[in-house]
Amino acid sequence: DQQVKQNSPSLSVQEGRISILNCDYTNSMFDYFLWYKKYPAEGPTFLISISSIKDKNEDGRFTVFLNKSAKHLSLHIVPSQPGDSAVYFCAASARDDKIIFGKGTRLHILP
Amino acid sequence: EAGVTQFPSHSVIEKGQTVTLRCDPISGHDNLYWYRRVMGKEIKFLLHFVKESKQDESGMPNNRFLAERTGGTYSTLKVQPAELEDSGVYFCASSPKGMRGLSYEQYFGPGTRLTVT
Repeated sequence: DQQVKQNSPSLSVQEGRISILNCDYTNSMFDYFLWYKKYPAEGPTFLISISSIKDKNEDGRFTVFLNKSAKHLSLHIVPSQPGDSAVYFCAASARDDKIIFGKGTRLHILP
Repeated sequence: EAGVTQFPSHSVIEKGQTVTLRCDPISGHDNLYWYRRVMGKEIKFLLHFVKESKQDESGMPNNRFLAERTGGTYSTLKVQPAELEDSGVYFCASSPKGMRGLSYEQYFGPGTRLTVT
C-alpha cells in the first residue's frame, strides 16, 4: 500500500510559467516532507523540504506547501526553466531516518 | 568534496548468479542507506547503517540480500542467488548524522542498474 502518492506520472509546462507538482500521503505519522529531483542516470538530488509544523517553505524559485488536514503537499516552481525538466519525487519521513518515496512525476518544460 | 559513488554502474547477470554492489559514502558520513527502484515504481528503502551497525533493515526483501559495512566506511549489498524480480536500480545514500540532526538531506549516489536475465 502506497503511503506517498503522486498521481500525475507526467506534466508539461511552458517555459516561464508556473509548474505545480502534487503529492498526497496517507500516514498521519509523517512529520517531515521532502522533494527530490532526478535526472536520467543520476541519483535523486534533494530540492526542498518542509516540517509538519509549517505550511509553507520557500527557496528561490521553489516553494513547498503543506496542507496537513488534507494530507496533501505541492511543489511550485516559478518561473519554470528548461533545466527544471526532470523527474520529481515527493517523499516523507516519520520520526526516523527512513524516507518513503512516491513514484515520481516527470516534468517537461516546453520552449 | 567527492559525492557518493557506486560500483558497478550497470550489472547484467543470469538468474541464480551472485552479484555484489558497492557503495562509497561521502567521507565522514556515519549514515548510509540502500534503496531500490524497480522499473516505474517508487524508490523503496532497504536498510540503514549507522557506522557499521544496521539501524533499520525493515526494507530488505528477503534473506537473499545481505548488506555489510565493515569498518563503517564503504558498504556492499550482495544478492545471492539473484532472481528476475531483483532487477532494478539500487541507490545508496549517505548523510552526516541522524537525519534529524543538522540536516535532513540524504545525498544519493548515481545508482547501480541491475538486470537479471
